[in-house]
Amino acid sequence: DTGVSQDPRHKITKRGQNVTFRCDPISEHNRLYWYRQTLGQGPEFLTYFQNEAQLEKSRLLSDRFSAERPKGSFSTLEIQRTEQGDSAMYLCASSQGTSGSYANTGELFFGEGSRLTVL
Amino acid sequence: GQNIDQPTEMTATEGAIVQINCTYQTSGFNGLFWYQQHAGEAPTFLSYNVLDGLEEKGRFSSFLSRSKGYSYLLLKELQMKDSASYLCAVDPGGYQKVTFGTGTKLQVIP
Repeated sequence: DTGVSQDPRHKITKRGQNVTFRCDPISEHNRLYWYRQTLGQGPEFLTYFQNEAQLEKSRLLSDRFSAERPKGSFSTLEIQRTEQGDSAMYLCASSQGTSGSYANTGELFFGEGSRLTVL
Repeated sequence: GQNIDQPTEMTATEGAIVQINCTYQTSGFNGLFWYQQHAGEAPTFLSYNVLDGLEEKGRFSSFLSRSKGYSYLLLKELQMKDSASYLCAVDPGGYQKVTFGTGTKLQVIP
C-alpha cells in the first residue's frame, strides 16, 4: 500500500454514460498526476496538478475529459459520453515534486488504479 | 517534447543477468526513474538517477549518462518473480511532467 487510494477499482459502463474516478493522494504531496494505461503500453500522461492548479493537460485528451483538485487535496477525473476507446486503466500518482535537491527524489507513488470497461 | 525509447520485450534465464536499456531526448532533465510493474498491478519505484554513474541497490542497479541521453537497469541473479514490465521515465524538472516510456516486458524462464 503506497498511501495513494483510488475509487472505484473497477467500473463497467455503457457507451455514452459519464464516469468519475477519485484519487486521494498522500496528504503531504503537492503534485498529483493522472495517467492512462492500456495493455502492453506504458502510462500515458493525461494531466497533473501542483496543489490545486492544473499545470498541464495532454493534447491527446478530448473535451470529454475533465479533472479537478479542489483545495489541493483529492482529485477527480470525469469522462463524459464514454466511448469504447476509453477502456483502460486510469492511474493516479502523487509526489512531493522536484525541488532541485538530490535528497528529494520526486518519486511518484501510484495508486492501484481504476479499471474502466466501456461496453 | 519528450521521446523515450526502450525495447518492447526481453527474455532471460533464471539466475542470469539482464540489462534493459533506455534512451531519451527531452527538453529538460532533472532525473530518470525506473519502475517495475507486474501484470495488473500499479508501477512500483525502483530507482531515481540524477547524477552520471551506476547506483546499486541489491540485485538491481541503474546507470545514467546524461551526455548520451542513456540509462540502463541491470538485474542480477534473476528470479522468476522478476518477470514484469520495466518502465523508464524522465523527470524534466521544474513544472514539467514526468513522462514514461512504453516499458520493457521481461520474461524470466527456467
